[in-house]
Amino acid sequence: GESVGLHLPTLSVQEGDNSIINCAYSNSASDYFIWYKQESGKGPQFIIDIRSNMDKRQGQRVTVLLNKTVKHLSLQIAATQPGDSAVYFCAENMYDKVIFGPGTSLSVIP
Amino acid sequence: ETGVTQTPRHLVMGMTNKKSLKCEQHLGHNAMYWYKQSAKKPLELMFVYSLEERVENNSVPSRFSPECPNSSHLFLHLHTLQPEDSALYLCASSQVGGGDLYGYTFGSGTRLTVV
Repeated sequence: GESVGLHLPTLSVQEGDNSIINCAYSNSASDYFIWYKQESGKGPQFIIDIRSNMDKRQGQRVTVLLNKTVKHLSLQIAATQPGDSAVYFCAENMYDKVIFGPGTSLSVIP
Repeated sequence: ETGVTQTPRHLVMGMTNKKSLKCEQHLGHNAMYWYKQSAKKPLELMFVYSLEERVENNSVPSRFSPECPNSSHLFLHLHTLQPEDSALYLCASSQVGGGDLYGYTFGSGTRLTVV
């Protein structure tokens, strides 16, 4: 069936290094993608989004890349900080229906 | 504060109790959602209300009963729950329709423990 999945359930990175979190989606009709960050004890929070007519979007220290050919989405975090430790979810939006991936836990090693 | 407020933050209830979770959004959104988040599982959509009408019910057991009295408030009434219902219950809101694309704004959730 249609699904959004993450390649790695956990990721550990050294403070200061760049992090890359990957996401595969299977629904080619999805037109909008979002990355959420969920810190312990909190609900998911919007980080960055991208529409299907784009292949790259940059925010503050974060970049989302979209490869529609292989249905792949990635989140790049530059100069990872301890405050970036959280679970990251990708989500795809199709006709106002949002499908969430299972999440990747990012741990930052000081 | 995200603009979506959930109360209580934590709830412990027995299997014979009746309790309610409350969600309030201050964002002027026209859709509200209940999600269940269990450990190491994807977010599970439970209910969707759009313009105060329930538009989706994902085969949720009848011991969970949603209520949306207006576009700013959403409740989840709980009765005779099971221990496996212990989870984080997240409320979210969004603006749907109009041709624009928006993400969800989530509350901080209610951590429910059924004993």
